[in-house]
Amino acid sequence: QQQVKQSPQSLIVQKGGISIINCAYENTAFDYFPWYQQFPGKGPALLIAIRPDVSEKKEGRFTISFNKSAKQFSLHIMDSQPGDSATYFCAATKRTSGTYKYIFGTGTRLKVLA
Amino acid sequence: DTAVSQTPKYLVTQMGNDKSIKCEQNLGHDTMYWYKQDSKKFLKIMFSYNNKELIINETVPNRFSPKSPDKAHLNLHINSLELGDSAVYFCASSHMVGTEAFFGQGTRLTVV
Repeated sequence: QQQVKQSPQSLIVQKGGISIINCAYENTAFDYFPWYQQFPGKGPALLIAIRPDVSEKKEGRFTISFNKSAKQFSLHIMDSQPGDSATYFCAATKRTSGTYKYIFGTGTRLKVLA
Repeated sequence: DTAVSQTPKYLVTQMGNDKSIKCEQNLGHDTMYWYKQDSKKFLKIMFSYNNKELIINETVPNRFSPKSPDKAHLNLHINSLELGDSAVYFCASSHMVGTEAFFGQGTRLTVV
């Protein structure tokens, strides 16, 4: 119930291509779904987040697509750049639970080839 | 003016030793966390404090003891270190439940 499953584990994309990372969750009580980006030697940093009352959110080249009925959400990186090479984590939490807990996916190592 | 700062960044120590990692945030947040990231990059929450009160204590060995002297600080003390404790430990903070969590740069702990 508390898991967030993320795929693929690693991804190699050509510069200019589209990177797609998928996540699936089990707990229907989750109501906030952020994506974090982590560069080597750094802590994760929030990239973009979505709530389940919308099906898509776009910020620049980054888009989250959310499918509530399938309990899935995905990150699309358009026009991928070598500077996007990092590890990406999806996460889920229940904002009103008072448990203050993010459940993270297992991470996807993205490499964008120049 | 680092938002969430941890010290030290690297820590190499022998099995059986006791060590501490310090964390400070200057964002005015009332919630702080400790996460452990293993060699496969998996991020797992260990503890969460809200206004100096322990809210989350995941299944962490009691050799790990967090201490929050005030809202801006959350330290992690580890007794009798074991090889399996080797990992990167991240401190994080957020304003309230479910809002953006800001992470520190991590402390890479190596137990030899």
